[in-house]
Amino acid sequence: EDKVVQSPLSLVVHEGDTVTLNCSYEVTNFRSLLWYKQEKKAPTFLFMLTSSGIEKKSGRLSSILDKKELFSILNITATQTGDSAIYLCAVQETSGSRLTFGEGTQLTVNP
Amino acid sequence: NAGVMQNPRHLVRRRGQEARLRCSPMKGHSHVYWYRQLPEEGLKFMVYLQKENIIDESGMPKERFSAEFPKEGPSILRIQQVVRGDSAAYFCASSMDTAPQAFFGQGTRLTVV
Repeated sequence: EDKVVQSPLSLVVHEGDTVTLNCSYEVTNFRSLLWYKQEKKAPTFLFMLTSSGIEKKSGRLSSILDKKELFSILNITATQTGDSAIYLCAVQETSGSRLTFGEGTQLTVNP
Repeated sequence: NAGVMQNPRHLVRRRGQEARLRCSPMKGHSHVYWYRQLPEEGLKFMVYLQKENIIDESGMPKERFSAEFPKEGPSILRIQQVVRGDSAAYFCASSMDTAPQAFFGQGTRLTVV
């Protein structure tokens, strides 16, 4: 059975700090890894990663995948209170389109 | 171009009643996925449908739960004889063919009292 483990489960930082969120996975036929941001509503898509070593970047957020060690990290620099949310990691198999999600990291950014 | 639309946003049912959750995918999307999120947990896959076909229902409870995606109209997730443990947020996502599910609806929060 596919498995996705995120760490830490929760994180509290001050505005301006840099955070690194971790996601490790076990999947039979890996196709892609996805990151989402979830505030009190729908998950919002952030990144999709399919190849090792290629950094995806969007503003203060960036992410990278290591397919050999089976993990990904999501970095957020110069955090703002608006970054407070649950960050979800999910993997998708080649054999189907279902996503297997991790438990999420609850990030709280204090002013 | 409206996003994935779910309704109702909130649904309260008494134990034993039926709950019907609706999901209209984004325009042009023919693949629909349902996920359930229990409090303090991540999203769990339930079912994957294409128009008029169930492709993968391996995440659906064997009893009381069913899903459909008819040729016309929204996808429906139906829960019969609801119990307190069914209280959760139910999210729908849609995609074109097997592209990653980048688009989720706002969810339906089901409360069973």
